[in-house]
Amino acid sequence: GDSVTQMEGPVTLSEEAFLTINCTYTATGYPSLFWYVQYPGEGLQLLLKATKADDKGSNKGFEATYRKETTSFHLEKGSVQVSDSAVYFCALSGRQAGTALIFGKGTTLSVSS
Amino acid sequence: EAGVAQSPRYKIIEKRQSVAFWCNPISGHATLYWYQQILGQGPKLLIQFQNNGVVDDSQLPKDRFSAERLKGVDSTLKIQPAKLEDSAVYLCASSLEASGRASETQYFGPGTRLLVL
Repeated sequence: GDSVTQMEGPVTLSEEAFLTINCTYTATGYPSLFWYVQYPGEGLQLLLKATKADDKGSNKGFEATYRKETTSFHLEKGSVQVSDSAVYFCALSGRQAGTALIFGKGTTLSVSS
Repeated sequence: EAGVAQSPRYKIIEKRQSVAFWCNPISGHATLYWYQQILGQGPKLLIQFQNNGVVDDSQLPKDRFSAERLKGVDSTLKIQPAKLEDSAVYLCASSLEASGRASETQYFGPGTRLLVL
């Protein structure tokens, strides 16, 4: 069945460092891809999404490109801040009605000043 | 606009007891989801409603879990009887379109954290 694999955490970085969180997927057809973020004490919120191959999603300095050839959707940010400390989830959704989100296990990011 | 509301935020019960969770989606959102998030894992779908009809309940343990969405708005999820392995965060999410398109953004509530002793 469809699945998402993302890199194990925790990821610990200093402020202004470059961030990459790897995400690969297995799916039939052409899913939509998402990154959700969960800040401490808060609910899941959408960070960015891409709905077709070669699309780039971006938000708050984060970017991810939908790579069909490598079945990947890696999350990147050029300069992280302490406020980016959170748990990041990669997820996919199929194109048929009734298909809900399938999530990876999440990657914890901790940024220190 | 108000977000997805859930209650209670925390619940502690003993095994074999029953428990119910409530969700109020964003106004006008046709699709509602319940997810279970076990510690250290990503959320997993339990059930999806479009308006007040069930679209997908294939991963809902129907011998102990039940859910309903009356009048296509609020929803309740019930566990009876609870087992130790039901300890998790139960997340409710909603999305605008009734079509259930995969590209639709889902908006999540804060979750209910359940501990079964």
